[in-house]
Amino acid sequence: KQEVTQIPAALSVPEGENLVLNCSFTDSAIYNLQWFRQDPGKGLTSLLLIQSSQREQTSGRLNASLDKSSGRSTLYIAASQPGDSATYLCAVKGIGNEKLTFGTGTRLTIIP
Amino acid sequence: EAQVTQNPRYLITVTGKKLTVTCSQNMNHEYMSWYRQDPGLGLRQIYYSMNVEVTDKGDVPEGYKVSRKEKRNFPLILESPSPNQTSLYFCASSFRGVALDNEQFFGPGTRLTVL
Repeated sequence: KQEVTQIPAALSVPEGENLVLNCSFTDSAIYNLQWFRQDPGKGLTSLLLIQSSQREQTSGRLNASLDKSSGRSTLYIAASQPGDSATYLCAVKGIGNEKLTFGTGTRLTIIP
Repeated sequence: EAQVTQNPRYLITVTGKKLTVTCSQNMNHEYMSWYRQDPGLGLRQIYYSMNVEVTDKGDVPEGYKVSRKEKRNFPLILESPSPNQTSLYFCASSFRGVALDNEQFFGPGTRLTVL
């Protein structure tokens, strides 16, 4: 059974710093990995999707990497801003039932 | 605009009163799914559908029903809601299989409270 872990559960950094969020998964048989952002009480906004054959994806200040063999992904946020404060979720899409298995998220706070 | 819509967005009900949460997508996606989100437990899959008339249980299906009569719609039915079904519910959809555009899209969520 796929398990997804995100450490740390919460992170606070000063504005302007670069930061890395971590995601690990136990079963490397995946279609893809998706990073989402969730604001309190709100829905999920997809940030980046990495196919299993890819190593990384970039969008603006965000860069996500995938090392499928070691079961790890990172989300790099450059030059953090207060508006980046949110919970970040990673999810892996399994082969077969297409299910997304989610981590429990990292709650990020950017301090002005 | 490509989107997944859910209705209602907020619902307060009482134990045992049947309810339906609707979900609709306009992207011609084959795959649709329902998740619930609870503090400390993350998002867990309730039911999913690979295509019209094809549905299957996810990780936490007890107390829920679904149907997929049309490709665009995937309603979640609670026949006899109980307080432990108080949660934030998300509908999602995507294309199937290994495709460059099989990103999963999520609806805005439905916050359900069962008294």
